[in-house]
Amino acid sequence: DADVTQTPRNRITKTGKRIMLECSQTKGHDRMYWYRQDPGLGLRLIYYSFDVKDINKGEISDGYSVSRQAQAKFSLSLESAIPNQTALYFCATADTGELFFGEGSRLTVL
Amino acid sequence: TQLLEQSPQFLSIQEGENLTVYCNSSSVFSSLQWYRQEPGEGPVLLVTVVTGGEVKKLKRLTFQFGDARKDSSLHITAAQPGDTGLYLCAVSGNTPLVFGKGTRLSVIA
Repeated sequence: DADVTQTPRNRITKTGKRIMLECSQTKGHDRMYWYRQDPGLGLRLIYYSFDVKDINKGEISDGYSVSRQAQAKFSLSLESAIPNQTALYFCATADTGELFFGEGSRLTVL
Repeated sequence: TQLLEQSPQFLSIQEGENLTVYCNSSSVFSSLQWYRQEPGEGPVLLVTVVTGGEVKKLKRLTFQFGDARKDSSLHITAAQPGDTGLYLCAVSGNTPLVFGKGTRLSVIA
């Protein structure tokens, strides 16, 4: 089983719908991250959390929210999805410097 | 302004050729990481370099951190199709990792 699991792996939705992407990890790491990947733009940080009581905005947090339900779980929500949120989303965890990524969630907003 | 500039953006080569990709910045970093991302997967750490001038080898991959700790290079010797992927450099300071846009490498058999 993967150490960092993302669900769903693929999702197609319509403009205005609420979407939640979930991430769970078995590595026991305190630090968790959500990144977005777009062709030609690389990985951009949306939100990050250093423990269950800590939530921080990243470079592109507008239009997104997160919840750190437990050390092992970090979910990303799009309250009202729009087409330019179509992208590949990655969750990652870290203990010190190295990031461990999930396999990604591909979201398409029509 | 992009913190990290990676070049080239795309590279397509024949199996057996050598190649070098670059990661440059005007800022000084305490450390720099290289990740490889294969299609359908998340990035995976290849190496972390921390000392100016440091050279690290991982089989056919050679990583170098610039003397001034502003840039890094990745050299692949005798590339193989399994080397195909997106190569990303990343740095951190007081904030979480910031990634370059990556070099997409395609090695043709």
